Amino acid sequence: GAVVSQHPSWVICKSGTSVKIECRSLDFQATTMFWYRQFPKQSLMLMATSNEGSKATYEQGVEKDKFLINHASLTLSTLTVTSAHPEDSSFYICSARWSSGGSRGDTQYFGPGTRLTVL
Amino acid sequence: AQSVTQPDIHITVSEGASLELRCNYSYGATPYLFWYVQSPGQGLQLLLKYFSGDTLVQGIKGFEAEFKRSQSSFNLRKPSVHWSDAAEYFCAVGKAAGNKLTFGGGTRVLVKP
Repeated sequence: GAVVSQHPSWVICKSGTSVKIECRSLDFQATTMFWYRQFPKQSLMLMATSNEGSKATYEQGVEKDKFLINHASLTLSTLTVTSAHPEDSSFYICSARWSSGGSRGDTQYFGPGTRLTVL
Repeated sequence: AQSVTQPDIHITVSEGASLELRCNYSYGATPYLFWYVQSPGQGLQLLLKYFSGDTLVQGIKGFEAEFKRSQSSFNLRKPSVHWSDAAEYFCAVGKAAGNKLTFGGGTRVLVKP
């Protein structure tokens, strides 16, 4: 099956620093990746849609200057949390769209997530 | 706007018993529907999906789901639960298969020995 990885799996940083999270599709090319955020015991909320070679599309209420997304290749998207604060502490999950090319349509495959703790 | 409701926040079931998780959606057109499972501290694994055709969909790990358009529901079932099925389950809806998804609030399943 399609595999998506994230790095790091967890990170602790000081308030005011920036953190970069990588999302990679390991065995397929993904023109589109998605970034979600999940607070403890809550559901996933879409933050942005990342398209290879173009600017990301952010959901309403998500600060694009704070959550920088770069999708420089067909297998890599990065999310950078700039000037992180404790309220940014969360579980960040990416997904990559896999195109089967058949009648069953595309599917999203999710990474294992990155737990960010800002002190 | 599309939305997904999972009425049950927690469900406790005995090992070997059957399980049904409810999912109701609101969407203006034919939805693409998904069920995902998340183990603690992990990402999401796709259990099954529905796009069109047979309304009873078979998935992995012995799960199945039935799409009922008249009830706007896509309930997940498993005839006999195993202890390893303890996890959080999310129902999701999208405009198309690979488009952004809207998730329900999730249902946490606890399995009693």
